[in-house]
Parts: sequence; structure tokens; C-alpha cells
Amino acid sequence: SQQGEEDPQALSIQEGENATMNCSYKTSINNLQWYRQNSGRGLVHLILIRSNEREKHSGRLRVTLDTSKKSSSLLITASRAADTASYFCATVNTGNQFYFGTGTSLTVIP
Amino acid sequence: AAGVIQSPRHLIKEKRETATLKCYPIPRHDTVYWYQQGPGQDPQFLISFYEKMQSDKGSIPDRFSAQQFSDYHSELNMSSLELGDSALYFCASRIYGTAGLFFGSGTQLSVL
Repeated sequence: SQQGEEDPQALSIQEGENATMNCSYKTSINNLQWYRQNSGRGLVHLILIRSNEREKHSGRLRVTLDTSKKSSSLLITASRAADTASYFCATVNTGNQFYFGTGTSLTVIP
Repeated sequence: AAGVIQSPRHLIKEKRETATLKCYPIPRHDTVYWYQQGPGQDPQFLISFYEKMQSDKGSIPDRFSAQQFSDYHSELNMSSLELGDSALYFCASRIYGTAGLFFGSGTQLSVL
């Protein structure tokens, strides 16, 4: 399967702590994207990192990409209860085909 | 391992035509979601089914309808197609109540 895999499947932390989610994939990519899903419905795009980039920041989000290991990580710093959601990585190949990971369910305890 | 299968991968239609997209969830998955992703946009939730019944409805136009069949596969029927319907349509499945949402590779619909 070309689908990415994420770990952990579920993560529970206290408010204020950092949350780290990992994504591994199998094929060559053009870019990798992280999405957030609230309440099992819509997906919200968080950040995109291109294959020639190694690290990217956006607010409290930090994404790294290691193409040699075919892996990426999403770090959410100073977590808040409102960060509780499912987080997905999606790899995009040169043919603009999307392959989503199965997601990490994050619970931030107030 | 079996994944979510969507067909067709690519579909080209003309305005005012109809289209049917199919989604075959992973075996034993009872919940199916449909998403529409326009160019440069976030995937928008359209509709979901649990045990062959509609469980939630998002921004699905009235021209679209969907159903889940007894074998749990789902079809998204789109009528009176418009240029703005050109998008990538994702299907995803899960076992209700569990973490882990499995996405298909999408159907790229182009309306000319």
C-alpha cells in the first residue's frame, strides 16, 4: 500500500505539553501535507512541506521531513484543549495523487 | 492489506451530464465518508454513512446524492454537472467508534 502510516494512533497529553505525531510513507513524494479533522467531519489543511524542505514552522506547529527515512513529524507546542482532534498526513506524488495516513487521535486534557 | 478502493481514478464529463463515483471500503468497515477537494482547497466534507444509513451531511449540493449498499460500498451520484464540480473526490472508511480513518486515492473529476 502507498498509504502513509502514522503513530501513535492515539495520544493523550495535558494542556501546555507538546504533542508529537509521526508519519511514514513508502513512495517518492512531491510534498507532504498535514491536516486536522474535527468531530469526524471536515479536514482543515495545516501545513505543507515540499520534498526539498527539511523543516517548516507555522505558529505553534513545526513539521520536519526526512526523505531519506521517508518520514515526517508534526509537533504542536504548548497544546490547548482546542487542539483535540485527529491529525492526518497526506503525501502527494508528482502525479498530484494524494495518499492519506490513518491519523493520530490527539486528546488534550485541560 | 486491502485498502479503500475508489473508481474510476479519473473521469471526464461535460456540463449537465451525470457521474457516478464508487467507493469500496476496507472489509468490515461500516462507516464511509465522502470529501470533495477543489484545486488548492481543503477537502470539504460531503456526506457520511453508517450501517447503510446516512449519518451526517455536510456541504453536499442538492444535485448530488449518495447511498451505501448492503455490501457497504457507497456511490456518489452527481447530476447536472457544473464546471465548479471539477475536483478530487475522496472516500474514506473506518470501523465506527475506532481511531484510524482510511482514505482511498480519490477520483479526479473534470467537467468540461
